[in-house]
Amino acid sequence: NAGVTQTPKFQVLKTGQSMTLQCAQDMNHEYMSWYRQDPGMGLRLIHYSVGAGITDQGEVPNGYNVSRSTTEDFPLRLLSAAPSQTSVYFCASSYGWNTEAFFGQGTRLTVV
Amino acid sequence: SQQGEEDPQALSIQEGENATMNCSYKTSINNLQWYRQNSGRGLVHLILIRSNEREKHSGRLRVTLDTSKKSSSLLITASRAADTASYFCAIPTGANSKLTFGKGITLSVRP
Repeated sequence: NAGVTQTPKFQVLKTGQSMTLQCAQDMNHEYMSWYRQDPGMGLRLIHYSVGAGITDQGEVPNGYNVSRSTTEDFPLRLLSAAPSQTSVYFCASSYGWNTEAFFGQGTRLTVV
Repeated sequence: SQQGEEDPQALSIQEGENATMNCSYKTSINNLQWYRQNSGRGLVHLILIRSNEREKHSGRLRVTLDTSKKSSSLLITASRAADTASYFCAIPTGANSKLTFGKGITLSVRP
């Protein structure tokens, strides 16, 4: 099992560019989520999904879009990148919210 | 939304010593989870303790939960240099029980 796979691992964007961070899991988990991690801020929830076709906003959703067309994939789209979106992004999945979450290795994004 | 607050923010100990980390929260919970993050890596789940449990063990890890004090502790016994990492407590919160994280504790174990 690959678990949770995130691509790319590193990305540099110019302000105003758009891009999609990919996340795939092979554990048939219904629950998937995106977090960003900034120094001194811990992990903050951006968007989450409780199943295919169902998404909702987390704590810091502005500037990001998500969709969940399949159980396996949960891409995160940056619409118009800003320097404030420079961060490390983590995707996670779980069987349910009250069970352990599995994390990808992260995407380190720099917006210049 | 509720999140746990870990204490201390940073901890430095000698190899072989025990490390105790704490997490406090504000409202009632269904469960509380502890995660570890090695530098530059993703988070790894350590232990989940449910609200009706008081203590759980996993190898050198011992987690306690005191719902009356709204706090949890993670004890790592006989620490090793490889235990150097950041440790987070996480709590399912709000609608759909979204998993929210504290800011983490940085543990350094000196060889």
